[in-house]
Amino acid sequence: QQQVKQSPQSLIVQKGGISIINCAYENTAFDYFPWYQQFPGKGPALLIAIRPDVSEKKEGRFTISFNKSAKQFSLHIMDSQPGDSATYFCAASDYGTASKLTFGTGTRLQVTL
Amino acid sequence: NAGVTQTPKFQVLKTGQSMTLQCAQDMNHEYMSWYRQDPGMGLRLIHYSVGAGITDQGEVPNGYNVSRSTTEDFPLRLLSAAPSQTSVYFCASSFGFASDQPQHFGDGTRLSIL
Repeated sequence: QQQVKQSPQSLIVQKGGISIINCAYENTAFDYFPWYQQFPGKGPALLIAIRPDVSEKKEGRFTISFNKSAKQFSLHIMDSQPGDSATYFCAASDYGTASKLTFGTGTRLQVTL
Repeated sequence: NAGVTQTPKFQVLKTGQSMTLQCAQDMNHEYMSWYRQDPGMGLRLIHYSVGAGITDQGEVPNGYNVSRSTTEDFPLRLLSAAPSQTSVYFCASSFGFASDQPQHFGDGTRLSIL
């Protein structure tokens, strides 16, 4: 049972464009929604995260938009760069379950010149 | 600081063999966990520990054992390897138990079971 659904599976964006990755969750107990970035041969690394008390969080070129009523959240990468080419995972956890993350299936992003 | 160190980086096993995947962290983190990553399935939690001497099961614990005798180390044991356990295994650690504590991942162990 996939509790966090992520789309698209892969994404090709031109340099300077906007990359958008979407996630939807089912468990209403989830209250922490991080995004992880993974380069080939490396482990995931925390990119940005949001709690449900805000609808948007921005860090540099990366923005999370959160819609609590729709149980959806998305990652926007502005001015996408070739160095952003990686696999992105959304995740969710319940504050009461000690950092047990439920991950989405991942989006492979390729930023072309 | 080395962060989270996993060994070995690659391993090939035959069905039925046992082995231990090592994980060590030098950040004095209380919380440690093991995930497996399979194509099209994201990362799935195998086992986790909230401190030395305390472990619990995650989403996919069958076929795996863990123990936590020290804060620094959290080994994952495959008792009798099966082809379905071919995967990339990641160890992670975080400072506290709260869900918004950033998790730090190692670079993984790529395991093939023949």
